[in-house]
Amino acid sequence: GDSVTQMEGPVTLSEEAFLTINCTYTATGYPSLFWYVQYPGEGLQLLLKATKADDKGSNKGFEATYRKETTSFHLEKGSVQVSDSAVYFCALSGGAGGTSYGKLTFGQGTILTVHP
Amino acid sequence: DVKVTQSSRYLVKRTGEKVFLECVQDMDHENMFWYRQDPGLGLRLIYFSYDVKMKEKGDIPEGYSVSREKKERFSLILESASTNQTSMYLCASRPGTSINQPQHFGDGTRLSIL
Repeated sequence: GDSVTQMEGPVTLSEEAFLTINCTYTATGYPSLFWYVQYPGEGLQLLLKATKADDKGSNKGFEATYRKETTSFHLEKGSVQVSDSAVYFCALSGGAGGTSYGKLTFGQGTILTVHP
Repeated sequence: DVKVTQSSRYLVKRTGEKVFLECVQDMDHENMFWYRQDPGLGLRLIYFSYDVKMKEKGDIPEGYSVSREKKERFSLILESASTNQTSMYLCASRPGTSINQPQHFGDGTRLSIL
């Protein structure tokens, strides 16, 4: 079945540091890929998405490129802020056996803490 | 903006009780989902519904059931609550048009079973 693997956390950075959170996936077919963010005490919010190979999703300074050859969708940001402290989830939908229902398969989440 | 509302932010129940978690969305979405979130495990799908009165099991349906009598409302039922069902529960909805449409999440219900 489909699966998503994220880098182990937690990740602790200083403000203005460069961020990378690795995400790799296993799926047959052509899944869509997503990054969601969860701020403390809140539900998940869509951060960005990519729907086909070589697409780049971007939002709020975050970027991720859909790499089919390496089955990866790594999240990057050039200069993090304290307000970026949150849990980040990589997810996919529509791999083998996927339907128009859009079920998501999630990674385990990566906790990011940014210090001033 | 899509609004997904879960009826309780925090809930404490006792072992053996029947527990209802309610979720309402205001965007006429066809698809609705229930997940549980546990540290180190990410989100795992319990059940989902693709239309009124239609439902399918997710990855971990044991001990749970669901009800969707109206399009906007999707209820998760713990038939006889147990301590291993202590968790954060998240509801989500999405339109049924394309797999590329993202899911929209509620703020979650933190459920404790004593």
